[in-house]
Amino acid sequence: DGGITQSPKYLFRKEGQNVTLSCEQNLNHDAMYWYRQDPGQGLRLIYYSQIVNDFQKGDIAEGYSVSREKKESFPLTVTSAQKNPTAFYLCASRGTGGPNTEAFFGQGTRLTVV
Amino acid sequence: GQQVMQIPQYQHVQEGEDFTTYCNSSTTLSNIQWYKQRPGGHPVFLIQLVKSGEVKKQKRLTFQFGEAKKNSSLHITATQTTDVGTYFCAGPGDSNYQLIWGAGTKLIIKP
Repeated sequence: DGGITQSPKYLFRKEGQNVTLSCEQNLNHDAMYWYRQDPGQGLRLIYYSQIVNDFQKGDIAEGYSVSREKKESFPLTVTSAQKNPTAFYLCASRGTGGPNTEAFFGQGTRLTVV
Repeated sequence: GQQVMQIPQYQHVQEGEDFTTYCNSSTTLSNIQWYKQRPGGHPVFLIQLVKSGEVKKQKRLTFQFGEAKKNSSLHITATQTTDVGTYFCAGPGDSNYQLIWGAGTKLIIKP
């Protein structure tokens, strides 16, 4: 089945540790996105990528890093510089149809700092 | 910068009552998309509106795009427990790949 896979579903991290969240898609989409969602809040864009080996900062990129070495994969690293990393992280992708294409989301990763 | 404002933030209704959420953009939009996020889940695409004044229906859901293509609404008739969740609107940003999201409206069914 085509779709986006995020792993793990739940993740616990100790303060001061970096952690990497996985996002893989087999939809052949060029654009991929990472969003952060806090309880009862909307979606805030962390990073997005339009093409392999290229990515742009979103509204809240500080404390996060990404890579886009393959079209299918867009991992997100939450670094120790992120002051309040506990949140729900959503990965999404969109096709090449421009602004009229819908976004497909993964199931999300719930990160908790302990 | 470009913004999409969505109201209300929450709406509490009795089952069987109607529900409406509104989105307003600071700029004219080429299209607007609507998504639903169930509690604990991820956003799922519902529909896209493209034409000025467009109205689309999906069973009890009615979506409208304003004549000026700067506002949109989602109306649910006779809400059911399956409608519970947060509804988001999203419009295109400055680049083809950007999406500007509304803050979402959470539909809560009163017990």
